[in-house]
Amino acid sequence: GQNIDQPTEMTATEGAIVQINCTYQTSGFNGLFWYQQHAGEAPTFLSYNVLDGLEEKGRFSSFLSRSKGYSYLLLKELQMKDSASYLCAVGNDYKLSFGAGTTVTVRA
Amino acid sequence: KAGVTQTPRYLIKTRGQQVTLSCSPISGHRSVSWYQQTPGQGLQFLFEYFSETQRNKGNFPGRFSGRQFSNSRSEMNVSTLELGDSALYLCASSLMQGARYEQYFGPGTRLTVT
Repeated sequence: GQNIDQPTEMTATEGAIVQINCTYQTSGFNGLFWYQQHAGEAPTFLSYNVLDGLEEKGRFSSFLSRSKGYSYLLLKELQMKDSASYLCAVGNDYKLSFGAGTTVTVRA
Repeated sequence: KAGVTQTPRYLIKTRGQQVTLSCSPISGHRSVSWYQQTPGQGLQFLFEYFSETQRNKGNFPGRFSGRQFSNSRSEMNVSTLELGDSALYLCASSLMQGARYEQYFGPGTRLTVT
């Protein structure tokens, strides 16, 4: 089975840094995805990690430790438009299993 | 390059009816996946197709089916609709090249069953 955990909500100030953790216990693993989803919209692809370590893409970075079943998404220099739900998903055999999502609220 | 397109965007059906949703992937993407998103259950995987073959299937009843055509376009069908089928149905097209894997979602079809 699949068990993917991430915090329900996080709040941070504009310009700050927020780290969203994701832990997983899954029967198979090909890679880990992060998506951003604004209310009423479809998820937007942010990153894919298959190897351990940190992948940086502009203000967003994603880290993976396969041995620990752990990933995090780091959002730097937060902007108001970053207020959204962030979804962690484990890929296995062409199937993605999603966590429930972390709602990030950015305050001025 | 055009993104993933889904039609229709909104649909209202009554219980017992059937519905067909369509998805056109990004040009060059041969993998298409379908997901159901509800407030209570979140995003749940329905099935994935590649080159007209279903490679994986989620835990949904047989009323949910899909297919993929030779041009990679995909359809999903839900028969004998139930109130609980009201959801946002998302299609995603994927490209895998070595260690690089990208999956992009379409805007979704909002299905309401009354």
